[in-house]
Amino acid sequence: ETGVTQTPRHLVMGMTNKKSLKCEQHLGHNAMYWYKQSAKKPLELMFVYNFKEQTENNSVPSRFSPECPNSSHLFLHLHTLQPEDSALYLCASSQARGAHYEQYFGPGTRLTVT
Amino acid sequence: GQNIDQPTEMTATEGAIVQINCTYQTSGFNGLFWYQQHAGEAPTFLSYNVLDGLEEKGRFSSFLSRSKGYSYLLLKELQMKDSASYLCAVLDSNYQLIWGAGTKLIIKP
Repeated sequence: ETGVTQTPRHLVMGMTNKKSLKCEQHLGHNAMYWYKQSAKKPLELMFVYNFKEQTENNSVPSRFSPECPNSSHLFLHLHTLQPEDSALYLCASSQARGAHYEQYFGPGTRLTVT
Repeated sequence: GQNIDQPTEMTATEGAIVQINCTYQTSGFNGLFWYQQHAGEAPTFLSYNVLDGLEEKGRFSSFLSRSKGYSYLLLKELQMKDSASYLCAVLDSNYQLIWGAGTKLIIKP
């Protein structure tokens, strides 16, 4: 595997379910990000991990819970979601947070909450 | 507040040239990125500008004017595969990326 991978690619869940999204990067990067992408809206940064430490949480509801066990893996745990949480969830990584480091994105998980 | 503006959608003809504009108002500036995103795929990096002027990379060029809070992405010799969304993003004073909503570019034969 190369680059940034995400699983699953598609997920349909009810509002009472609990599920997790997984992201893995094979680039040796130290920063990882979760974004939410809704149609015709800017990418919304949710969480940032730099050297496995969470450095940013952009007022994300507690029904989204990130986990970063090491610098290569990132999870997003989901529980009691709302229909408005339906979106494309993108994971990205970069050499480190900030500066001019470009971010490499995974293909995303298309989440539908019913 | 912080704001990135870019047109929602543009249409151009195969073989032609198109310019996608991006204006920004952010707290500080540490560079501007352009990304390309094909439908159903991940965004991919196109360019990074931090100094004023034009950066050319093959058929794609990116321009920056910091005093005007303005950038554009210029695509030459358009190909059908250039149909995609183009995302403008600014790195603010906290080194956080502020994203525009993207410009959907439609290429017609």
